[in-house]
Amino acid sequence: DIQMTQSPSTLSASVGDRVTITCRASQGISDWLAWYQQKLGKAPKLLIYKASSLESGVPSRFSGSGSGTEFTLTISSLQPDDFATYYCQQYNSYSYIFGQGTRLEIK
Amino acid sequence: EVHLVESGGGLVQPGGSLRLSCAASGFIFSSYTMSWVRQAPGKGLEWVSSISGSGGSTYYADSVKGRFTISRDNSKTTLYLQVYSLRAEDTAVYYCAKRLVGTTTPFDYWGQGTLVTVSS
Repeated sequence: DIQMTQSPSTLSASVGDRVTITCRASQGISDWLAWYQQKLGKAPKLLIYKASSLESGVPSRFSGSGSGTEFTLTISSLQPDDFATYYCQQYNSYSYIFGQGTRLEIK
Repeated sequence: EVHLVESGGGLVQPGGSLRLSCAASGFIFSSYTMSWVRQAPGKGLEWVSSISGSGGSTYYADSVKGRFTISRDNSKTTLYLQVYSLRAEDTAVYYCAKRLVGTTTPFDYWGQGTLVTVSS
């Protein structure tokens, strides 16, 4: 079974910082990779799909890259609203595997 | 506007069962694969099950295979998850989610979730 591993588990940063979260797949998944943002007590929100495609309505400071086994989510300039937990997700037609999450907190 | 509203959660004893529902609106329900994803308290997201638009194909995580049954009623635009033989580790918020348009896509809309608590 495919496993998705995110790093770091927790990230402390300040407003205006550029941050990068990494997601590694245990085997190649092409570019079938999504990123979600989840705030406490709320449902996840889709940010990025197909590794680098920005979901409609998502600010352009969010970007994704990678293919195969290594992927990154970058936030170019952190805003106060961005402090949340981020999950990567491998998807195909019949299964969906999430990473364990990265909590982005205010430094 | 897409709306997904889950219901049916609650407190249930180990070994018990529940039926979760997800009422959908704002899109052509029968055209989309729908899924259930759960999140144990303080933990990460876990995909549970998916069903094709017609209902003809279903998929399950190994952790629930044989104990959970996903179904849908396209005439009522409602998704269901029948959960049996519940265990403490099934305690979680259960979200229904709609898949983004396309053949291989992630989830673009989620409901607010319904909490299932398994405890004696």
